[in-house]
Amino acid sequence: DQQVKQNSPSLSVQEGRISILNCDYTNSMFDYFLWYKKYPAEGPTFLISISSIKDKNEDGRFTVFLNKSAKHLSLHIVPSQPGDSAVYFCAASFPGGATNKLIFGTGTLLAVQP
Amino acid sequence: NAGVTQTPKFRVLKTGQSMTLLCAQDMNHEYMYWYRQDPGMGLRLIHYSVGEGTTAKGEVPDGYNVSRLKKQNFLLGLESAAPSQTSVYFCASSYSSYGYTFGSGTRLTVV
Repeated sequence: DQQVKQNSPSLSVQEGRISILNCDYTNSMFDYFLWYKKYPAEGPTFLISISSIKDKNEDGRFTVFLNKSAKHLSLHIVPSQPGDSAVYFCAASFPGGATNKLIFGTGTLLAVQP
Repeated sequence: NAGVTQTPKFRVLKTGQSMTLLCAQDMNHEYMYWYRQDPGMGLRLIHYSVGEGTTAKGEVPDGYNVSRLKKQNFLLGLESAAPSQTSVYFCASSYSSYGYTFGSGTRLTVV
């Protein structure tokens, strides 16, 4: 039972355009959402996050939007750069968790074409 | 460099062999995790630890055992490797849900 889903396995965009990566979740108890970026042969690294009490968080070229009613979040990258080519994982956590476990999605491979 | 170190980086095992993957962190984090990454499956939690001497099962624990005898180390053991355990294994440590630091991974092939 996949609680966090990324339905697009891959996405290709042109350099300079907007990249939009999507993520859906099923558990309304999640209170914090994160995006991680992963290059080949490296571990995932934290990119950006959003609390469930917000609907938008921005950090430079990266913006995450949260739509709680739809149980949907998205990551916007503007403008996209070739160095953004990587696998992007969304993740979610439960409130006040003593374990701090993250539930990850299946990942989306982003390819930014020069 | 501070961070999470995984050894080995690559390993090929024969079915039925055993091995231990080592994860070491130098950030004094309480929480440590073992994930596996498979195509189309994302990152799935195998086992985790909320402190020295404690371990707990994650989403896919079968076939694996873990130990956390020292705060900085988290070991993942495969007692009798199976081809289904061919995967890339990632260790992570954190001080909270918001501060995961991952290692660079161990690519394991079971033939």
